[in-house]
Amino acid sequence: DSGVTQTPKHLITATGQRVTLRCSPRSGDLSVYWYQQSLDQGLQFLIQYYNGEERAKGNILERFSAQQFPDLHSELNLSSLELGDSALYFCASSFGVGSGNTIYFGEGSWLTVV
Amino acid sequence: TQLLEQSPQFLSIQEGENLTVYCNSSSVFSSLQWYRQEPGEGPVLLVTVVTGGEVKKLKRLTFQFGDARKDSSLHITAAQPGDTGLYLCAGDPTGNQFYFGTGTSLTVIP
Repeated sequence: DSGVTQTPKHLITATGQRVTLRCSPRSGDLSVYWYQQSLDQGLQFLIQYYNGEERAKGNILERFSAQQFPDLHSELNLSSLELGDSALYFCASSFGVGSGNTIYFGEGSWLTVV
Repeated sequence: TQLLEQSPQFLSIQEGENLTVYCNSSSVFSSLQWYRQEPGEGPVLLVTVVTGGEVKKLKRLTFQFGDARKDSSLHITAAQPGDTGLYLCAGDPTGNQFYFGTGTSLTVIP
């Protein structure tokens, strides 16, 4: 158990819909990361927050947005869903930022768009 | 273009064999990390290598960081079925974004 909690674990929704994925970081961790993993794209970095502020942005679509709340939990909002958005979405957390930090991953949220 | 390229992409070997997985980049990293991911779970950190030329051993796993800090390798001795999984190298060359490699899917056949 990494200490990172993600909900829901599985989600099936229709194209055009909107979903919200939730993440609680490890106790004491200030940084939250979101990754998307699909068979053809591997593990792709989406966005990172540190202590409530956006710190880095990766390959995140405009239809996607995220935020980190004062209690440090984070949400990833996916809207106007397309079939290609079907993937495993991971949240991860670390205490700080930068290359010296260990990142701990949650078990992921499986999203299937039909 | 991926920042971290891993090879081979897929590897299927018999129990007891040795194997090496490579992680290469044109960028310099202050450190590189290796993760293993099992089906349905998130990646789990195995090791962090920091110094160029560094070698770290974790039981039957040996990790090496290249002298120029642009590449790394993972060697598994006498592979076991429990070693089956997706192996990922990862690093943050700029201090702004943590990149993962393309991954190596290892299957160890009993």
